[in-house]
Amino acid sequence: QQPVQSPQAVILREGEDAVINCSSSKALYSVHWYRQKHGEAPVFLMILLKGGEQKGHDKISASFNEKKQQSSLYLTASQLSYSGTYFCGTEGGNDMRFGAGTRLTVKP
Amino acid sequence: GAGVSQSPSNKVTEKGKDVELRCDPISGHTALYWYRQSLGQGLEFLIYFQGNSAPDKSGLPSDRFSAERTGGSVSTLTIQRTQQEDSAVYLCASSLARRKQFFGPGTRLTVL
Repeated sequence: QQPVQSPQAVILREGEDAVINCSSSKALYSVHWYRQKHGEAPVFLMILLKGGEQKGHDKISASFNEKKQQSSLYLTASQLSYSGTYFCGTEGGNDMRFGAGTRLTVKP
Repeated sequence: GAGVSQSPSNKVTEKGKDVELRCDPISGHTALYWYRQSLGQGLEFLIYFQGNSAPDKSGLPSDRFSAERTGGSVSTLTIQRTQQEDSAVYLCASSLARRKQFFGPGTRLTVL
């Protein structure tokens, strides 16, 4: 039931792009993306509802392919502040299941 | 403060003791979640409350874990006869139904 995230970790230089993928084995109602910095609670980034939508703000965007039960998070022109662990959360029913996380490190 | 609060922030207990962790959600949020996060690991779903519906307890790891939510607001997670493997950060989150979740700062539980 837990979604699968890939990659597990990625290291970037400032200005580089990254894609984080999230896939589920069950039909989804929505996909959430959160970022957690070390020692802090996760912070909401965006939510995508079924219907194949794509959303974004600033240089972070995401897509949701309902048929494939997959979502991708796109980070473009990465900044140092993007460092952290990114979690996707999937809703298939009444609960929320989070992936194991993708650790993103942005270096100067 | 309008955010989610949790208490205590840290709890150290001895193996076999019972502990209670408290979560105060954002006022008006109908949904409340408990998660467990072991060091360097992901978020493990424990239990979900939505309004007056029966809670989804499917994530509770054993019958030593229980939770209640009184009056649709404050929630308490109870762990009986704690074990060393229960050591983790316990996070609470609240939301309006199927909306973004706001996380509390967590309770770091250490079982000696």
